[in-house]
Amino acid sequence: DSGVTQTPKHLITATGQRVTLRCSPRSGDLSVYWYQQSLDQGLQFLIQYYNGEERAKGNILERFSAQQFPDLHSELNLSSLELGDSALYFCASSPPGQAYNEQFFGPGTRLTVL
Amino acid sequence: LAKTTQPISMDSYEGQEVNITCSHNNIATNDYITWYQQFPSQGPRFIIQGYKTKVTNEVASLFIPADRKSSTLSLPRVSLSDTAVYYCLVGAATTGTASKLTFGTGTRLQVTL
Repeated sequence: DSGVTQTPKHLITATGQRVTLRCSPRSGDLSVYWYQQSLDQGLQFLIQYYNGEERAKGNILERFSAQQFPDLHSELNLSSLELGDSALYFCASSPPGQAYNEQFFGPGTRLTVL
Repeated sequence: LAKTTQPISMDSYEGQEVNITCSHNNIATNDYITWYQQFPSQGPRFIIQGYKTKVTNEVASLFIPADRKSSTLSLPRVSLSDTAVYYCLVGAATTGTASKLTFGTGTRLQVTL
């Protein structure tokens, strides 16, 4: 157990819908990262927040948005869903002040778009 | 970002030592080499990180030659539970917090009896 929690574990929805994925980082961690893992694209970085502010952006679609709240939990919003958005979505967190690339990953949310 | 190349898959018997080599010819001066392990339907897990020479922890060893253009992850006496995908990543560790991770295709290790 990494200490990072994600809800829901599974999500099944239809094309065109909007969903929200939630992540709670480990206690004390200020950074939250979102990754998407699909069969054809592998693990891809989407976006990073640090203490409430966006720090880095990856290949995140315009239909996707995220935010980190004052209590440091984060939400990833996916809208106008397409079949190709079906994937595992992982959240990770890391503590402040470290000089190495260790991130703690949550169990993931499996999104299925029908 | 430095690109990494590692074997797509490897097979091993339980109890053997497994060495997975990763090449990163255009590694930058401030880049670290990090390895992650991922089991099916789980998030990746940090194994080890190094800059040069050798690093060892309770799980694995990481060997990095002087030119840093490659690295080798060594798993001693593997067991069936080490069956997983292993990712080699190269990137700078920024001050303040970890930087985003760029995953390649990884090496799928299959351990059998």
